[in-house]
Amino acid sequence: KAGVTQTPRYLIKTRGQQVTLSCSPISGHRSVSWYQQTPGQGLQFLFEYFSETQRNKGNFPGRFSGRQFSNSRSEMNVSTLELGDSALYLCASSFGRMNEQYFGPGTRLTVT
Amino acid sequence: AQTVTQSQPEMSVQEAETVTLSCTYDTSESNYYLFWYKQPPSRQMILVIRQEAYKQQNATENRFSVNFQKAAKSFSLKISDSQLGDTAMYFCASYGGSQGNLIFGKGTKLSVKP
Repeated sequence: KAGVTQTPRYLIKTRGQQVTLSCSPISGHRSVSWYQQTPGQGLQFLFEYFSETQRNKGNFPGRFSGRQFSNSRSEMNVSTLELGDSALYLCASSFGRMNEQYFGPGTRLTVT
Repeated sequence: AQTVTQSQPEMSVQEAETVTLSCTYDTSESNYYLFWYKQPPSRQMILVIRQEAYKQQNATENRFSVNFQKAAKSFSLKISDSQLGDTAMYFCASYGGSQGNLIFGKGTKLSVKP
C-alpha cells in the first residue's frame, strides 16, 4: 500500500506571496492532519480534516487554511507569507480518530 | 491541556547496546494513546511504537519496548541491540480522543556510534 505523499517536496517563496501544499493520504484513510515543524517551536498541530470537514484546528492565524476533497486528498494554503512561516510542513493520515497517524515526507517551505 | 516533556535533548549509545529515552506527559483525557515516532535525517516521521493507556501491558515491537507507568505519567522507550540505523530524532507524543491531534515533545536526538 502506498504511503502518504506530499507535493511539492521543496518550495521557495517570497514574503507576501501565498502557497498551496498538497497531501494524498494512504488509500482508505479518511482523516488528514497537518503539522508545522520548526527548530524553535518543534511540532505544532495546524488542523485536522475528516470526510471533507475540519474537525479540529490548532492555534495558528487565519492566514493558514485548508480543505479536504471527496477522495480524502487535502490541501493547505498559507496566504501573505511571512519569514516565520519557513518550516517543514508534515501531513499525516489515519483511518479515523484513535488510530495511529502515518506521516508523509513533508514539504520544506522557505520564505525569503 | 495536554503536555509532553522529553528531558533529554541528546543521547548517544554504542552499537549493540541498550538505551532508554524518557518521556513524561500530562493529560486530562481518560481515553488516550501514547506514541514514539522516529525522524531520521531524511525527515520522514516513522511510527515506532504505540501504547493504549487502558492497557497495562507494555507494548513491544521487535527491539523497541516501552515502560508505561500510568500513575507516574511516564512513558519511556527502550531500544535494545542498538543499530546505526537507529540514529534519529525520537519524539514522544500523546493523543486524546476528544482533542483529535498529536501533542509532541521537543524530541531526543539519538546517535548510535560504531
